Amino acid sequence: ETGVTQSPTHLIKTRGQQVTLRCSSQSGHNTVSWYQQALGQGPQFIFQYYREEENGRGNFPPRFSGLQFPNYSSELNVNALELDDSALYLCASSLEFDEYDNEQFFGPGTRLTVL
Amino acid sequence: KQEVTQIPAALSVPEGENLVLNCSFTDSAIYNLQWFRQDPGKGLTSLLLIQSSQREQTSGRLNASLDKSSGRSTLYIAASQPGDSATYLCAVNYGGSQGNLIFGKGTKLSVKP
Repeated sequence: ETGVTQSPTHLIKTRGQQVTLRCSSQSGHNTVSWYQQALGQGPQFIFQYYREEENGRGNFPPRFSGLQFPNYSSELNVNALELDDSALYLCASSLEFDEYDNEQFFGPGTRLTVL
Repeated sequence: KQEVTQIPAALSVPEGENLVLNCSFTDSAIYNLQWFRQDPGKGLTSLLLIQSSQREQTSGRLNASLDKSSGRSTLYIAASQPGDSATYLCAVNYGGSQGNLIFGKGTKLSVKP
């Protein structure tokens, strides 16, 4: 069973640029969630994809967008990067099996630095 | 507003001690609660998930309890080891099978040899 993988590991961009982060969900998982974790903080929910549709969104502006593909892998796109977008971006996958038992499994994260 | 709080923010103990990490949440209508471990600069490793109908879950030296009525969970670590040093995060799911997690800020644990 393959765990959640993310690419790239690290990324450096300049303010105003655009970035795409990628996530492969754990085998068999059909739900992918993205989180942003600033230094010293807990992760904050960005959005979730379920069967290729956005299924919930946190308090993030529209320049944060995403996709989920038929194989359940996912992308997070951020346009017009700002300095405050510097963070660890985490992807989590889960299986719609039991609403009380849907354990979420996280990838290693992508460290984004905006200069 | 649904919030999760973890106290203390940091904890340092000598090797071999038993310890308790605390997590509190403002809204008791949860589906489940997960405890995670995070090593510096790394992703999250799931330790335990407690469903809302459960009182506790155990895995090896870890035991997590849940008291929905008081909005509290504790993570008990027995016989701590230096390898347990990490940040421990508590996260609450209010949305069911497609719910997102609301995280606390974590407790940074240091176990001294």
